[in-house]
Amino acid sequence: DIQMTQTPSSLSASVGDRVTITCRASQDITNYLNWYQQKLGKAPRLLIIDASNLETGVPSRFSGSGSATDFTFTISSLQPEDIATYYCQQYDNLPITFGQGTRLEIK
Amino acid sequence: EVQLVESGGGLVKPGGSLRLSCAASGFTFSSYSMYWVRQPPGKGLEWVSSFSSVSNSRDYADSVKGRFTISRDNAKNSLYLQMDSLRADDTAIYYCARVKWGGEQLGPFDYWGQGTLVTVSS
Repeated sequence: DIQMTQTPSSLSASVGDRVTITCRASQDITNYLNWYQQKLGKAPRLLIIDASNLETGVPSRFSGSGSATDFTFTISSLQPEDIATYYCQQYDNLPITFGQGTRLEIK
Repeated sequence: EVQLVESGGGLVKPGGSLRLSCAASGFTFSSYSMYWVRQPPGKGLEWVSSFSSVSNSRDYADSVKGRFTISRDNAKNSLYLQMDSLRADDTAIYYCARVKWGGEQLGPFDYWGQGTLVTVSS
């Protein structure tokens, strides 16, 4: 199974800050990496597809980059509504696996 | 509008059974691979099972293999998860999710249901 290591596990930042989350795969997954946002009590929401493609309707302050084993998710200017837990997910093969999540809080 | 609505969760004793349902609408259900993903209270996301629209293959996480059975009824636009021999560590919110690209077994999940809570406790 492919292990996804996501860091940090929690993060506190101020409105307007640039926020970065990293995700490392235990083997090469090319770009088969997605990012999700999950707000409290809600289902996950797809934000980034294939490492760097913004899903339709997602604000442009969200972005992703990377390939092979190392990936980065960035919020360019943190907004209050971005409070959530963020997950990476690989779909190179089954079993699909998720990172442990990063809980983002506002300072 | 695409919608996925889960039902069937509840409280069950260890060793018991439950059948979850996911009613789909707003898209051609038969063309899309469908997944079950679960989330224990306060924890992360875990893939449980998937049903490919391409090959009709069914796959399971090792943690549920032999105990859970995924099925679908394309005429009723519904996905199911039969859960037998339930254990305390099966306690979770269970989500059904759709692979974004019709005709693909693997891919991002663009639509999720609201989830249904399964609690296994004596």
